[in-house]
Amino acid sequence: NAGVTQTPKFQVLKTGQSMTLQCAQDMNHNSMYWYRQDPGMGLRLIYYSASEGTTDKGEVPNGYNVSRLNKREFSLRLESAAPSQTSVYFCASSESSPVYGYTFGSGTRLTVV
Amino acid sequence: GEDVEQSLFLSVREGDSSVINCTYTDSSSTYLYWYKQEPGAGLQLLTYIFSNMDMKQDQRLTVLLNKKDKHLSLRIADTQTGDSAIYFCAEDPGGGNKLTFGTGTQLKVEL
Repeated sequence: NAGVTQTPKFQVLKTGQSMTLQCAQDMNHNSMYWYRQDPGMGLRLIYYSASEGTTDKGEVPNGYNVSRLNKREFSLRLESAAPSQTSVYFCASSESSPVYGYTFGSGTRLTVV
Repeated sequence: GEDVEQSLFLSVREGDSSVINCTYTDSSSTYLYWYKQEPGAGLQLLTYIFSNMDMKQDQRLTVLLNKKDKHLSLRIADTQTGDSAIYFCAEDPGGGNKLTFGTGTQLKVEL
């Protein structure tokens, strides 16, 4: 099983460009999440989707949009990238029971110049 | 809002015990977790503790929970070089399945 797959692994954008980060899971999980990781700040929740067809804002949603395309896929879009969005982005998924925690993808390292 | 706090760095010698500490924010958190992140990788769940427990042991890992002080710790016995990584604690505020992560502790194991 692949678990959680994120693409691309690395990306460099110019300020103002747009892009979509892709995430797919093959574990039939209901919930999916997007986090960003910055040095000294841990992981901060951008958006999450508790189930197919629903999405909600997390702690730092400004400048981002999401789409829960189906149960497997949850994409994150930057409409007009800014240098402050330079970060490592992680997608995660989870079962309904919190006992199993989250399964994370390997991350996308994004640099905005 | 309040942050889930961890010290940034910890250095230990191989074979010693490591203790990583965390202060969480929400007394209604039902589960508390420890995750490990190796370089260039995502986070992996190490262990968790349910809020009605004081201690949980899992092989070389011991988790201690002090609910009164909202303090969580992870002890790694006989620390090995393969334990070098960043360790994150996490809580589920309000008991929902939406985790808040700490700032992470970089553990360095020296020979």
